Amino acid sequence: NAGVTQTPKFQVLKTGQSMTLQCAQDMNHNSMYWYRQDPGMGLRLIYYSASEGTTDKGEVPNGYNVSRLNKREFSLRLESAAPSQTSVYFCASRQGAHGELFFGEGSRLTVL
Amino acid sequence: ILNVEQSPQSLHVQEGDSTNFTCSFPSSNFYALHWYRWETAKSPEALFVMTLNGDEKKKGRISATLNTKEGYSYLYIKGSQPEDSATYLCAFQTGANNLFFGTGTRLTVIP
Repeated sequence: NAGVTQTPKFQVLKTGQSMTLQCAQDMNHNSMYWYRQDPGMGLRLIYYSASEGTTDKGEVPNGYNVSRLNKREFSLRLESAAPSQTSVYFCASRQGAHGELFFGEGSRLTVL
Repeated sequence: ILNVEQSPQSLHVQEGDSTNFTCSFPSSNFYALHWYRWETAKSPEALFVMTLNGDEKKKGRISATLNTKEGYSYLYIKGSQPEDSATYLCAFQTGANNLFFGTGTRLTVIP
């Protein structure tokens, strides 16, 4: 069972470059999420998609865009990367408002 | 931005000891409280999702309680084993999609 799959696992970017993190889940979940994890801080929500065709801002959306391509896939795009976006990014999905989150393995992004 | 506090930040216990951690959260706008276990180099995995005041959940040697009126949850591990070493995260959910995570309690179980 693949669960939640994120790519790439590692990426180094220069300031101003763009990139897209891909996320796919095979559990037929309605809701998908992008979080970032920084040292000394809890996981912070960047964007979420409650259902196919909808996306909403989370706690820290600035500098990011998302696309819910279909029910399976939810991508996160950095249009012009900044060093402050150096972080570990986690995609997650779940079914229902009281469901548990299923996380991907994380993507470590470094912006120089 | 909501404040979710976990204590202690880290904890070392001997194998066989029982231990507990605390998650404190706002006592208003409660929707659910989540606990996750996060091993190094892996992704967080859910332990419990609790929704009702007074909820108690148990999975093997791990259990959790919830007090929404005073805004806290306890996670208990009975007879700690080295494989319990991990970071334990709690997340306070307010509304259908907003989960606010604490910074976690890092548990090390010494054989």
